[in-house]
Amino acid sequence: TQLLEQSPQFLSIQEGENLTVYCNSSSVFSSLQWYRQEPGEGPVLLVTVVTGGEVKKLKRLTFQFGDARKDSSLHITAAQPGDTGLYLCAGARHSNYQLIWGAGTKLIIKP
Amino acid sequence: SAVISQKPSRDICQRGTSLTIQCQVDSQVTMMFWYRQQPGQSLTLIATANQGSEATYESGFVIDKFPISRPNLTFSTLTVSNMSPEDSSIYLCSVGVLGYEQYFGPGTRLTVT
Repeated sequence: TQLLEQSPQFLSIQEGENLTVYCNSSSVFSSLQWYRQEPGEGPVLLVTVVTGGEVKKLKRLTFQFGDARKDSSLHITAAQPGDTGLYLCAGARHSNYQLIWGAGTKLIIKP
Repeated sequence: SAVISQKPSRDICQRGTSLTIQCQVDSQVTMMFWYRQQPGQSLTLIATANQGSEATYESGFVIDKFPISRPNLTFSTLTVSNMSPEDSSIYLCSVGVLGYEQYFGPGTRLTVT
């Protein structure tokens, strides 16, 4: 079974602090995606990383794909209350179009 | 991207009854997926529903309990049959676009009493 371990599962920090969420696997993925979900809504795609070592930035969010395409991280700089939500990583394999999902990180940013 | 709507948004049902959830997409898509999610937790794939073929169910999910229809490229339904309180969950449909990226509906929150 191909697993994607996501950590931490829960994080509560003050506004203005920085944080990093990690997704790790022993398997190689063709791409990795990050989603954010707010209560009462479905997950929303934030970014897809495809190339080993790739770094993508979305305002205060920085996403990195590991060189070996087995791991990824999401770094948020100067977190804002609007960043509160459930963050999910998902890895894609070449063999089919299903995604392997991490356990999720519930993030709370306190004003 | 794609815009996905789901009906109903929430429902409270009695055990032993069935509920059909509808998923409508604003564009034609080949791949649709049905997930189950406990609040605040990750997603569990129930089945993949591609138009023109039978749905493919994941381990632990069977067609008799979760029958799926996919009559065309913009619509699908998931029925939760003979419900029990253990079926209380959020049910999400998604579509596959541009390869592996998925776009989700807002979900259906089901409570079984």
